[in-house]
Amino acid sequence: AQKITQTQPGMFVQEKEAVTLDCTYDTSDPSYGLFWYKQPSSGEMIFLIYQGSYDQQNATEGRYSLNFQKARKSANLVISASQLGDSAMYFCAMSAYAGGTSYGKLTFGQGTILTVHP
Amino acid sequence: DTAVSQTPKYLVTQMGNDKSIKCEQNLGHDTMYWYKQDSKKFLKIMFSYNNKELIINETVPNRFSPKSPDKAHLNLHINSLELGDSAVYFCASSQAPGPYSHEQYFGPGTRLTVT
Repeated sequence: AQKITQTQPGMFVQEKEAVTLDCTYDTSDPSYGLFWYKQPSSGEMIFLIYQGSYDQQNATEGRYSLNFQKARKSANLVISASQLGDSAMYFCAMSAYAGGTSYGKLTFGQGTILTVHP
Repeated sequence: DTAVSQTPKYLVTQMGNDKSIKCEQNLGHDTMYWYKQDSKKFLKIMFSYNNKELIINETVPNRFSPKSPDKAHLNLHINSLELGDSAVYFCASSQAPGPYSHEQYFGPGTRLTVT
């Protein structure tokens, strides 16, 4: 079974500063993917970034980077140069491949509400 | 160019009724999913279909019945609605999963309110 833990219910950051959202995971599967999604107040789920368990380098997508520490089982999201539009709920999620039994389902963390102050 | 669409966006109905939510994706993906987001914003998988075949059924009451007429569509029918079914239901799609994971693209969600 997979488990995702996000220990920060809420985070605050000043506009233009960087912020790190924490995520730890637990799985016994050797092959897995880690994802971050953003859910603004409008409700849609927006894919941000993906990290594969075999990827040697940390994933980056524009202002988003994923700090992947495999030994610590952590996959923190770093948002650089925060903008007011970054205020939203952020979900960490995992998909593990167990020979087809999990078949790509995403297991989500509890989410972190990020508020960007002007 | 909506990638994953759901209808309706809002659904208000009374206990005991039967209702359906429709989902369509134009991304050419083989796999589609239904997730439920409860009032505390927790997201949980309900079902997954790969190329019209049910792959995942996560201990969902059998009042919920998914149907996939083709790989671009995955509908969710709910019988005898209960108050606890009130939630936001998200449809998602991805390339067929395997040893390497693929991102899932979500629809806009359907907010179901049972009164």
